[in-house]
Parts: sequence; C-alpha cells; structure tokens
Amino acid sequence: DAGVTQSPTHLIKTRGQQVTLRCSPKSGHDTVSWYQQALGQGPQFIFQYYEEEERQRGNFPDRFSGHQFPNYSSELNVNALLLGDSALYLCASSLALLRGDEKLFFGSGTQLSVL
Amino acid sequence: KNQVEQSPQSLIILEGKNCTLQCNYTVSPFSNLRWYKQDTGRGPVSLTIMTFSENTKSNGRYTATLDADTKQSSLHITASQLSDSASYICVVSSPRGSGSARQLTFGSGTQLTVLP
Repeated sequence: DAGVTQSPTHLIKTRGQQVTLRCSPKSGHDTVSWYQQALGQGPQFIFQYYEEEERQRGNFPDRFSGHQFPNYSSELNVNALLLGDSALYLCASSLALLRGDEKLFFGSGTQLSVL
Repeated sequence: KNQVEQSPQSLIILEGKNCTLQCNYTVSPFSNLRWYKQDTGRGPVSLTIMTFSENTKSNGRYTATLDADTKQSSLHITASQLSDSASYICVVSSPRGSGSARQLTFGSGTQLTVLP
C-alpha cells in the first residue's frame, strides 16, 4: 500500500519563475492538503482539495494555485517565485476531511530553493 | 486568533533519559489535539490523538496528556532512544462553522535531539 508520494524531492528555481509540485495521495484517500514549512517552523496550511475543488484556503496569495485530478492526485503551482517561497512543501492526504476524519498522512515533501 | 505554542523550542537529552514536551493552545472551539513526529527530511507522522474527554493516552514509550480546562497538552517520552531525535509538532483541530469540516492549527514544533 503506497503512502503519499511527492515529486520532485528537490527543486531549484530563480526569482520570477513558475513551479509545479505533484502529489499522489495514499491509496483510498480522496482529500489532499498542501502545506509550506519554513526551516524550524511548523507547517503552514496553503489549501485543501476535495472532489477536484478547492475547499479551504490559508493565508497565501493568489500566486499559489492548485488542482486535483479525478484520480485524487494533486498539483501545487506557484507563479512569480520570490526568495521567501523557499521552503519544504508538504502534501498530506486524508479520507474525507470534510467528514471530520482529520488524521493526515504526509509525504516526504519537495524542498524548493529560490535563488 | 487560534494559536498553538510549543515549548521548549529545542531540547537535548542523553539516551535513556525521559523528557516532556509542552503544548499550549488558544484554539476554540476545540475538537481534538494530535501530536506528530517529524524526522529530518520526512513528513510528519501522527503519534496520538487526544479528544476533549481524554486525559491521558499512551503509545509505547510516548504518553500524551490533555487538560482541556487550561488548554494544555504534554508529550512525555520515556527511556529515550537515538531514533527519537526529531521535531514533535502539536496540532489542534477546531470545527469550521456548519457541517463537520475542520480547521487545523499547527505549532512550530519542539526539536528533540537524543545524544548517545
């Protein structure tokens, strides 16, 4: 039973570029959440997808957008990258978060460095 | 504003010793509280969940406590091992309006280092 998988594991970009991160949820899970984790900090919630729609969103600008596909996998897109976007981006899956089962299963993350 | 504060920020102990990590929260209303362990370069993994009616719950060498009146939780690690070196993150869940959707508030974590 595969857990949450994220790709790529590491990424280096320059300011102003665009990046796409990918996530496949744990088998059987239908809800995907994305988090940004700066060094030494806890994860910060970006947004959550369920049934291919953005259901909740944290305090992140519109430069951060996402998508969920029919197979429940998800993408996180960040446009016009800033130095401050450098962080570990975590994907977490769960089963129907909207029904209260909020145990999250995390992937190992994508380490994004913006130069 | 919902907040979760963890202390200490970092902790260094010798192998075999016990330690206690603290989590104070101002999240309201309260649904539950989870402790996650995050190894370096990995995503967090859930250790235990505490609901409003639970005071103590153990998971092997990990024991979590919850005082819902004072809005405090602790995670006690007994007979620490080198593999316990990790960041421990406290996450508090709160209902969002109608239905059963939840909002999660993450603490910044306690970085535990266990030395031989």
